[in-house]
Amino acid sequence: ETGVTQSPTHLIKTRGQQVTLRCSSQSGHNTVSWYQQALGQGPQFIFQYYREEENGRGNFPPRFSGLQFPNYSSELNVNALELDDSALYLCASSLMVLAGENGELFFGEGSRLTVL
Amino acid sequence: KNEVEQSPQNLTAQEGEFITINCSYSVGISALHWLQQHPGGGIVSLFMLSSGKKKHGRLIATINIQEKHSSLHITASHPRDSAVYICAGQETSGSRLTFGEGTQLTVNP
Repeated sequence: ETGVTQSPTHLIKTRGQQVTLRCSSQSGHNTVSWYQQALGQGPQFIFQYYREEENGRGNFPPRFSGLQFPNYSSELNVNALELDDSALYLCASSLMVLAGENGELFFGEGSRLTVL
Repeated sequence: KNEVEQSPQNLTAQEGEFITINCSYSVGISALHWLQQHPGGGIVSLFMLSSGKKKHGRLIATINIQEKHSSLHITASHPRDSAVYICAGQETSGSRLTFGEGTQLTVNP
């Protein structure tokens, strides 16, 4: 068990709705990264938060947004849901000691989102 | 664009066999992660490498920085090793992780 927890584990939404996914990072970690994994594919980097600021973003539209809180937990928000947003959403926490020097990643179990 | 290529895509082995999974990566990647994903989705980090070699139990990971190549070896494979193994390159900024397509390993008893 990694100490990284995600909620909810499963959820179903309809097109156009909004969703918030949550991730609590491992104690002592200051960095959270979010990934989208469609069925049968590898994970794709959405964005990373380091000390409450966005620190890198993948090729995802602005309707994917995030937050990191002072306790380093994080939220992923997706607005105007589309069918193609159906996927497993993974978060990973890590300790970045210096800029560019990220440590080992600890993944949560993921939130499986189905958009109907 | 950072790229990570992994081979083979699928691998079937008999219990006890020595297994190797390979990963090549492009410039701009400063560290390589080896990850294990079981059915249901949970991902476990096996190794993070920026140079040399690491060993944990029956798992060994090596990286050749000049050739931009890494390998994951499993000695004395066991059916419980059956999973998807993914290599992922961490870019120099420390943020973006680029994933390989994964290797589906099946170890038969």
